[in-house]
Amino acid sequence: GAVVSQHPSRVICKSGTSVKIECRSLDFQATTMFWYRQFPKKSLMLMATSNEGSKATYEQGVEKDKFLINHASLTLSTLTVTSAHPEDSSFYICSAASGYNEQFFGPGTRLTVL
Amino acid sequence: GNSVTQMEGPVTLSEEAFLTINCTYTATGYPSLFWYVQYPGEGLQLLLKATKADDKGSNKGFEATYRKETTSFHLEKGSVQVSDSAVYFCALSGPPYGQNFVFGPGTRLSVLP
Repeated sequence: GAVVSQHPSRVICKSGTSVKIECRSLDFQATTMFWYRQFPKKSLMLMATSNEGSKATYEQGVEKDKFLINHASLTLSTLTVTSAHPEDSSFYICSAASGYNEQFFGPGTRLTVL
Repeated sequence: GNSVTQMEGPVTLSEEAFLTINCTYTATGYPSLFWYVQYPGEGLQLLLKATKADDKGSNKGFEATYRKETTSFHLEKGSVQVSDSAVYFCALSGPPYGQNFVFGPGTRLSVLP
């Protein structure tokens, strides 16, 4: 199956700083990328959907100014958590899809904000 | 809107026991159905899928059949192993296929030796 990578796998930052997470589709062109957030022992919550070259569509309740998403190419999307706070600590997972094909998930990034 | 309901567990079984994790869904149209597995500290891995009614998805001894009449996609395995300990997510997508993913709450499975 297709491979999606995320970098970094873990990041620890101080409160008030910004953190960028990269999501790459390694062997296919992803027209759409999705960003999810997973709280401990909970299911995945879709945060936003991004299509290459256009603005991301955010789910209700997700602050677009706090979670900046850029999908600059068909193989790369980035999620930047701006002015991070401890409540932003979570497991962030991206997925990528090509057209209407299935989504392939990345391994996730664990963010800890001190 | 679309939704997925699954038994939340935790489910604790002895090695070689039979596993069933129930999953039912509500959707407009004809969604595709998936089971994903998440091992501790890792992302999601696709376990199996079915894209139309009566399809059976299978992988690594796990099976699930797309039942349109009961809107179900129950996960089964005849003999679980300790290495199967993980969280299992039932999910649906679409239409269109691959879009509009909705995940169930996840079921934590612990298999004891």
